[in-house]
Amino acid sequence: GNSVTQMEGPVTLSEEAFLTINCTYTATGYPSLFWYVQYPGEGLQLLLKATKADDKGSNKGFEATYRKETTSFHLEKGSVQVSDSAVYFCDLRSFGAAGNKLTFGGGTRVLVKP
Amino acid sequence: EAGVTQFPSHSVIEKGQTVTLRCDPISGHDNLYWYRRVMGKEIKFLLHFVKESKQDESGMPNNRFLAERTGGTYSTLKVQPAELEDSGVYFCASSQDGGTASYEQYFGPGTRLTVT
Repeated sequence: GNSVTQMEGPVTLSEEAFLTINCTYTATGYPSLFWYVQYPGEGLQLLLKATKADDKGSNKGFEATYRKETTSFHLEKGSVQVSDSAVYFCDLRSFGAAGNKLTFGGGTRVLVKP
Repeated sequence: EAGVTQFPSHSVIEKGQTVTLRCDPISGHDNLYWYRRVMGKEIKFLLHFVKESKQDESGMPNNRFLAERTGGTYSTLKVQPAELEDSGVYFCASSQDGGTASYEQYFGPGTRLTVT
C-alpha cells in the first residue's frame, strides 16, 4: 500500500535560516504529491503540489521537486520567517485502486525563533 | 466563498459517552472526506462520500464509528460509545471532483476530541 515517511520534529530554527524537511514515499502507479501546512489554530492548507516526476511545486518561498528516482519530495525554503512556524505534512494521492484518499506523513512541527 | 466548517471545535467527553461531529463542506462539493490524527501521529483516512453515498469506508476503525451524509450536504460522524483511544483531531475535507488525482481537497479546522 501507499505510505509516506517524513522527518520527525520539532525543528527549531532562527529567522532567515534555511529549512529542509525530508519526505519519501512508497506508492503504486504515479501518485501526485503534496505539502500541506497547519498554522496554529487553523485547518490544513495546501502549500504546494506536484503531479508528475520532475515537477517542482512552489508557493510562499517554499519549493519541492518530485523525484521519482529517489521517491522523494523534500520541502525547502531559503529564508524562514517567524510566521512559517507551523506543522507541515507531506502526502500523496494515487487515484485508482487506492481511491482518492490522501496518505499523510506524520507531520513535522517547525518553530522559527526571532 | 465559505470554507469547510466543522463543529464543535473541541469536545471533551467521558469514556462510554456518545459524541457527534459535524462537517459542512464547501457548497457544491460532492466529495467529502473524514480523516483523523491520533496521538500526534500521521493523519489517517477514515472515509469518503460522493454526495450521500459512501465511496470508500476502508479507514473506519470499528463499528463504534458511524458516518452519515443525508441529502448529500453536511456530514456527521458519531462515535458511540467513545473509548480513550478515540481521542485526537478529526478533520473533514471536501473537493469538487474526486476523479482526478491532483484535485485539491479543502480542509476544515478540525474537531479536537478528548475522551477521559
